[in-house]
Amino acid sequence: ETGVTQTPRHLVMGMTNKKSLKCEQHLGHNAMYWYKQSAKKPLELMFVYSLEERVENNSVPSRFSPECPNSSHLFLHLHTLQPEDSALYLCASSETQNTEAFFGQGTRLTVV
Amino acid sequence: GNSVTQMEGPVTLSEEAFLTINCTYTATGYPSLFWYVQYPGEGLQLLLKATKADDKGSNKGFEATYRKETTSFHLEKGSVQVSDSAVYFCALRRSQGNLIFGKGTKLSVKP
Repeated sequence: ETGVTQTPRHLVMGMTNKKSLKCEQHLGHNAMYWYKQSAKKPLELMFVYSLEERVENNSVPSRFSPECPNSSHLFLHLHTLQPEDSALYLCASSETQNTEAFFGQGTRLTVV
Repeated sequence: GNSVTQMEGPVTLSEEAFLTINCTYTATGYPSLFWYVQYPGEGLQLLLKATKADDKGSNKGFEATYRKETTSFHLEKGSVQVSDSAVYFCALRRSQGNLIFGKGTKLSVKP
């Protein structure tokens, strides 16, 4: 248990659906991240939030929309996804952007 | 630019064998270096880290030494167990920068 909790653990959605992934940490960390892990590809950093402000958006399609309402919660809103978006989505947090990251267990997303 | 290169897997070993997973990096300045482990069906967990040259990180019998002269951070364990089967990721972080991961190396340990 790393202190970072992601829900749901598994999600199957159609291409016309709208869903949200949730991440929660009570470690007192100030930075939170979304990563995408696809088979046979390096981990891709999607979004970075520091003190609830988005500080990085790595050319992610607009069908992925992050939200950080407070320092403990991070959401990833999904709409009109494509089958190639199927992957493991990992949330992480760190005390600051300079310190090691703690990861959640991930949400396994399948787009059908 | 900054990058991390890990040996290609999968690596298959028998229980109690010696493990080495090579990792080299390219970075300006003095990054911090990390090894993360991902067990089946789980997220990544920090295994060990080193923040400056010649530092040795260690945890659960695993070790890695920050070698600036060879820009390497190889992961070693003297005697692996079946429970060590997982994917291992080498990563670096520069000051004010984000984590940069290698592609991961899958380790399978057979009884």
